[in-house]
Amino acid sequence: EAGVTQFPSHSVIEKGQTVTLRCDPISGHDNLYWYRRVMGKEIKFLLHFVKESKQDESGMPNNRFLAERTGGTYSTLKVQPAELEDSGVYFCASSQERQGPADTQYFGPGTRLTVL
Amino acid sequence: GENVEQHPSTLSVQEGDSAVIKCTYSDSASNYFPWYKQELGKGPQLIIDIRSNVGEKKDQRIAVTLNKTAKHFSLHITETQPEDSAVYFCAASQPRVGNYKLTFGKGTLLTVNP
Repeated sequence: EAGVTQFPSHSVIEKGQTVTLRCDPISGHDNLYWYRRVMGKEIKFLLHFVKESKQDESGMPNNRFLAERTGGTYSTLKVQPAELEDSGVYFCASSQERQGPADTQYFGPGTRLTVL
Repeated sequence: GENVEQHPSTLSVQEGDSAVIKCTYSDSASNYFPWYKQELGKGPQLIIDIRSNVGEKKDQRIAVTLNKTAKHFSLHITETQPEDSAVYFCAASQPRVGNYKLTFGKGTLLTVNP
């Protein structure tokens, strides 16, 4: 079974540009999460989807970040316009009760975003 | 909200020795504590977890202990091997229907020297 996949693996953009990150969760997982790790700090929660609905977006830093999960399958996270402090590694995770406790989260490899 | 502190930030051991990483959490309502291992270029991988109804859990060379009174939990790796070298993250959450977000510690870089 394929794990969580993320695209791209790396992205380098200039301040003010737009970037869209994509996450494909494990097939059948209703819960999808976005996290971010800024250099040297902890991995921080951004938001949580249940199917196509945003369940909790309390970790989103500001309105320059927009997450979507149309159809309840893959998700995108758009940063527009990007700022220097947005640099970091963005992780996606998914979970599903049928394959273990609903809180057991499986992480993707991450997208390393560098804003110059 | 929950806050998780993790120590040490770096740990270097000789192959065959044991390694211990400790975490404390602030919210007494937290009841799920996973540990993740992140190797270079990969995402965090769940290696073991513990729930608040048990005090210890083992899986081969890895064990986790939980002290709910003191609000701390620890990862123990015995007979360390070079392939155990990685960044380890502890996390805490209060799983309830519709909300399973994890609060992470800052990570421990473990280096196992051959």
